[in-house]
Amino acid sequence: AQKITQTQPGMFVQEKEAVTLDCTYDTSDQSYGLFWYKQPSSGEMIFLIYQGSYDEQNATEGRYSLNFQKARKSANLVISASQLGDSAMYFCAMREPPSGGSYIPTFGRGTSLIVHP
Amino acid sequence: DSGVTQTPKHLITATGQRVTLRCSPRSGDLSVYWYQQSLDQGLQFLIQYYNGEERAKGNILERFSAQQFPDLHSELNLSSLELGDSALYFCASSPSSGSIYEQYFGPGTRLTVT
Repeated sequence: AQKITQTQPGMFVQEKEAVTLDCTYDTSDQSYGLFWYKQPSSGEMIFLIYQGSYDEQNATEGRYSLNFQKARKSANLVISASQLGDSAMYFCAMREPPSGGSYIPTFGRGTSLIVHP
Repeated sequence: DSGVTQTPKHLITATGQRVTLRCSPRSGDLSVYWYQQSLDQGLQFLIQYYNGEERAKGNILERFSAQQFPDLHSELNLSSLELGDSALYFCASSPSSGSIYEQYFGPGTRLTVT
């Protein structure tokens, strides 16, 4: 079973509007971390936002916020006021308690976001 | 700019050959991770080193090996290359091994095997 599921292969949004990218995860651990990364066409992976499983507040970083619903095991990324430069692949990832001392992240398959002018 | 550097940026080689990819982590980061990103497999964790020692292994083929040197840079060696090894190879670094903090990715090396 996939640990990270991103059900939207592609999303379209109008510039200046908000968009939500879905991510559900599967873990039986109580302590874990959830991350979102952006990969523009140039290829680099850019860290966007982090949410710890024990964090009570939803994480926010500028125009990015994470809608964390622990009971539903979802960690959706919300991008407000979309910009053309937001067009990219977006990956959700989870890190679970260490295996042999290391937190190794598992990545979803990604969602392609295209922002229209 | 994440502070993680990878060389070369692009690499084209033939089947059966051997290549070495190089990664320099962010200043102060002790942990280095290698990933392979391909269209069919997505982003797959290969191997992690922490302060010179192998710490975790993922879906790394036996034809692949890696090491981390005393100056903390790391190399990923890919041998007996096959067409299916064509992919984007990322290196990432983080300050420690046992934390849930984010990893900072390098720009990647795009490997094409012909």
